[in-house]
Amino acid sequence: SQTIHQWPATLVQPVGSPLSLECTVEGTSNPNLYWYRQAAGRGLQLLFYSVGIGQISSEVPQNLSASRPQDRQFILSSKKLLLSDSGFYLCAWSAIINSGGYTFGSGTRLTVV
Amino acid sequence: AQSVTQLGSHVSVSEGALVLLRCNYSSSVPPYLFWYVQYPNQGLQLLLKYTSAATLVKGINGFEAEFKKSETSFHLTKPSAHMSDAAEYFCAVSGGSQGNLIFGKGTKLSVKP
Repeated sequence: SQTIHQWPATLVQPVGSPLSLECTVEGTSNPNLYWYRQAAGRGLQLLFYSVGIGQISSEVPQNLSASRPQDRQFILSSKKLLLSDSGFYLCAWSAIINSGGYTFGSGTRLTVV
Repeated sequence: AQSVTQLGSHVSVSEGALVLLRCNYSSSVPPYLFWYVQYPNQGLQLLLKYTSAATLVKGINGFEAEFKKSETSFHLTKPSAHMSDAAEYFCAVSGGSQGNLIFGKGTKLSVKP
């Protein structure tokens, strides 16, 4: 069966520090991968989307970036965090034919101080 | 463009009462529709999905939803609320610009004893 792993679960980082969040999927090949951010009262915001290795689409311009170095690995990064980057970050995957919806990871609570 | 509107950011019901969470969508093509549940500090879990088969969809934990094309609605119901149903619920529609799902802003369900 397919599983998705996301870590760390919580993170407290100072303003201006770098960020790296990792997400891996097991049990499937060539998944669509997504990074979402959930800020209080703002619902789910799609940040990045990937259909394959090295293929990244960005929905929102910001100081975050994403990379997909391997088929089932998706990394969210920042060189310098801002206070506004605080939130709950969720990774998700879906099959190529997207009628099955997404499977989400357990999320990372990021607090920038 | 596809969009989702969830009426009511907070809904409160008594234990044993009917749960009704409203979702209206707009879509230029026949949509796939989803309901997800999120418990505090966790990822989203798929409750149920509509993919153009039966219009009444049964999901996990006793929830169901009915697709009504004429009303562009996909409301979530449960006959009798349990305390364990307290969570945030998200409606989503397929067809985003990147092939992604479009999520509503969520409805937080509280269950009173």
